[in-house]
Amino acid sequence: GAGVSQTPSNKVTEKGKYVELRCDPISGHTALYWYRQSLGQGPEFLIYFQGTGAADDSGLPNDRFFAVRPEGSVSTLKIQRTERGDSAVYLCASSRQVNTEAFFGQGTRLTVV
Amino acid sequence: TQLLEQSPQFLSIQEGENLTVYCNSSSVFSSLQWYRQEPGEGPVLLVTVVTGGEVKKLKRLTFQFGDARKDSSLHITAAQPGDTGLYLCAGQGGTSYDKVIFGPGTSLSVIP
Repeated sequence: GAGVSQTPSNKVTEKGKYVELRCDPISGHTALYWYRQSLGQGPEFLIYFQGTGAADDSGLPNDRFFAVRPEGSVSTLKIQRTERGDSAVYLCASSRQVNTEAFFGQGTRLTVV
Repeated sequence: TQLLEQSPQFLSIQEGENLTVYCNSSSVFSSLQWYRQEPGEGPVLLVTVVTGGEVKKLKRLTFQFGDARKDSSLHITAAQPGDTGLYLCAGQGGTSYDKVIFGPGTSLSVIP
């Protein structure tokens, strides 16, 4: 595709439910990043992938959060037992390789009620 | 932990005025990036600075990287309403290794 695509654009879920957020990176980009952005704040790093492997997952807040990229392209961020504090915009970005320009998607706005 | 601070947090100016926003850290980065983000959109890269003391210009925007590669500034000349948005600085490299660390942003509003 022409850019990074994230689906859904909006997700409302009940506290305690499981959610999956999807990221389709730009074709051929080997690096993929997930960030979380709360209102009025800068994006907070969660995890990044180089190919299929998670190169750095130090930003995942706890073990309820998990991300995969099984074929080195599409990535899914998974959140178990959602809490109201998980409400935020989840941003995905991809770059041709690490340390090159990253292109961001429009984000998924997650609301936990 | 590497942290980036930005000032001011909010800025509201009249069209035609000049402004400068600042990005500071106690840590050294290999490169520093400036992004602009509009509501409902992801951040868009404006510039990357790599060399200490480097100055880059992008039309009415001037970016400077500090000599010690710990701070940066963004100067906008003759601001226009289309400049309105959230300006984010982000550092990469140093002890953050490859991941990009963002500052909290400066929210700029340019009033016609």
